Amino acid sequence: QQQVKQSPQSLIVQKGGISIINCAYENTAFDYFPWYQQFPGKGPALLIAIRPDVSEKKEGRFTISFNKSAKQFSLHIMDSQPGDSATYFCAASMKGTYKYIFGTGTRLKVLA
Amino acid sequence: NAGVTQTPKFQVLKTGQSMTLQCAQDMNHEYMSWYRQDPGMGLRLIHYSVGAGITDQGEVPNGYNVSRSTTEDFPLRLLSAAPSQTSVYFCASRQGAIGYTFGSGTRLTVV
Repeated sequence: QQQVKQSPQSLIVQKGGISIINCAYENTAFDYFPWYQQFPGKGPALLIAIRPDVSEKKEGRFTISFNKSAKQFSLHIMDSQPGDSATYFCAASMKGTYKYIFGTGTRLKVLA
Repeated sequence: NAGVTQTPKFQVLKTGQSMTLQCAQDMNHEYMSWYRQDPGMGLRLIHYSVGAGITDQGEVPNGYNVSRSTTEDFPLRLLSAAPSQTSVYFCASRQGAIGYTFGSGTRLTVV
């Protein structure tokens, strides 16, 4: 119940295309869902986050879609660029705690 | 403003040796955590702290100790290194509802 399942493991997208990464969870006590972006040799950096009281959040080319009933959330990267090539992690945090449960990561490669 | 600083960046240990991974943050954050990152397994929580003098275990605490004597520092101690502890270690800090800020990591190899 503590797991966050992330897919796909790797993704190759053409420049200008849409990258979609999916995550699913079981525990309905999770109330904060961040996405992190990690470049090789660097620590993860917060990209965008959502709470379950909204179904979508957009920041620039990055959008989180949240489906509370299905217990799924996804990251959409519009107009994907080679500079977006990185590993992306979804995470979930339980209400009242600051512990994150991370997905296993998606390695995105955007072809020029 | 340095954020979260981890030292060393790289370390090779022999099985059975002990060492301390250092982590310091200058943002006056209450919450600090240690994660390990392994291929295909994402980031797993080792230990965390909700403030000076308060620590608790995460998912994978065995073989590691932590202490939090000040708000700024949160060292991670490996008591007797094992090859299974070969990993990349990240320290992170957080304040309130803002997401965690991660350090740049320590790549540890145990031979």
